[in-house]
Amino acid sequence: NAGVTQTPKFQVLKTGQSMTLQCAQDMNHNSMYWYRQDPGMGLRLIYYSASEGTTDKGEVPNGYNVSRLNKREFSLRLESAAPSQTSVYFCASSEGGTHQPQHFGDGTRLSIL
Amino acid sequence: KNEVEQSPQNLTAQEGEFITINCSYSVGISALHWLQQHPGGGIVSLFMLSSGKKKHGRLIATINIQEKHSSLHITASHPRDSAVYICAVLKGGGADGLTFGKGTHLIIQP
Repeated sequence: NAGVTQTPKFQVLKTGQSMTLQCAQDMNHNSMYWYRQDPGMGLRLIYYSASEGTTDKGEVPNGYNVSRLNKREFSLRLESAAPSQTSVYFCASSEGGTHQPQHFGDGTRLSIL
Repeated sequence: KNEVEQSPQNLTAQEGEFITINCSYSVGISALHWLQQHPGGGIVSLFMLSSGKKKHGRLIATINIQEKHSSLHITASHPRDSAVYICAVLKGGGADGLTFGKGTHLIIQP
């Protein structure tokens, strides 16, 4: 019953460091998403991948890059971390149809000092 | 102004009460989602709606497309219903990401 697996669960970085958040799903879903959740802001879409081989910007893509490595995996990279990127990051996946639910990972809590 | 507005932001009620959480949106949508975020942080999908009403156990979700409004009702509320309830809309095609409200923090007291 793995569903959507995110690693790591917690991370502390210094300003300017880089890191990659990993996400993998075992449900054979076509579409995958990265969101961030900040207090008072709600969840916001960073990037998404409608299908293997495609990626698109969401509402808040600046400072991030993504890679859809294969159908299972969708990674999010911070090239030069900034304190404004301190957040909880959620990966999600869905089959991609209009009435398909999105399945969320447990989140990665990232602090940038 | 946010495209998805929820009310109330916070709600505390007694066990057994009937709960209503409201969601209004200002954009065209192809579907509306209700999600639940547990105190531990995990997010689960409760409902997806594009018209009418859906029921699952003690949870009922309705949507009025003309008025751009949806409600989530909880009957016979229980302390285990305490969570953040999030309304989200799908503005584009099925593979597009969701646009979220800020959530309603619900506490059910025994």
